[in-house]
Amino acid sequence: SQQGEEDPQALSIQEGENATMNCSYKTSINNLQWYRQNSGRGLVHLILIRSNEREKHSGRLRVTLDTSKKSSSLLITASRAADTASYFCATVDYGNNRLAFGKGNQVVVIP
Amino acid sequence: SAVISQKPSRDICQRGTSLTIQCQVDSQVTMMFWYRQQPGQSLTLIATANQGSEATYESGFVIDKFPISRPNLTFSTLTVSNMSPEDSSIYLCSVDGDRGPNYGYTFGSGTRLTVV
Repeated sequence: SQQGEEDPQALSIQEGENATMNCSYKTSINNLQWYRQNSGRGLVHLILIRSNEREKHSGRLRVTLDTSKKSSSLLITASRAADTASYFCATVDYGNNRLAFGKGNQVVVIP
Repeated sequence: SAVISQKPSRDICQRGTSLTIQCQVDSQVTMMFWYRQQPGQSLTLIATANQGSEATYESGFVIDKFPISRPNLTFSTLTVSNMSPEDSSIYLCSVDGDRGPNYGYTFGSGTRLTVV
């Protein structure tokens, strides 16, 4: 089943700019995760934020979580051409280990 | 984190035939997950495979179409049976984090299936 839903976005930005993408979900979650997928291959885990956390950083990534609005955002700062990929949010509900994915955002970083 | 070897990476198959996809994990894991990603779409969970028990299928997916084996804690297969062009997708396996559900999941590199 699908859970997190991003605003359908296809971002095209210049190298060095910031990229922001959003995600919304419907249920009561244990945590929310962001993944990157290059060219339809396997997914790479980027960052996880727990339901009791509001903001988290990892390198050039910043994720926020607003459980009252059931939404999250992912910010990539100082983007690079190598950041060109599809980005997905996914949620894990309490009581199970299954990831429910949102629609995804296509990000293109122009050198 | 675990490392997953998924095979084949891609295949082109005739309609009506079946394809078996394999995932080998370099460590023992309790649960393995199988996803389908249709062209341009997000990932949809097909089923959860536990060793020693029948796989648990999500709504819209049935065992006759997607039989799964889980003979041990490091290996699983997904078969796409009696294929039609609508089965053309990327299929991915996944395992949860080493330290439980609060850590990221690891994915295989995917199998890109085209049914002609």
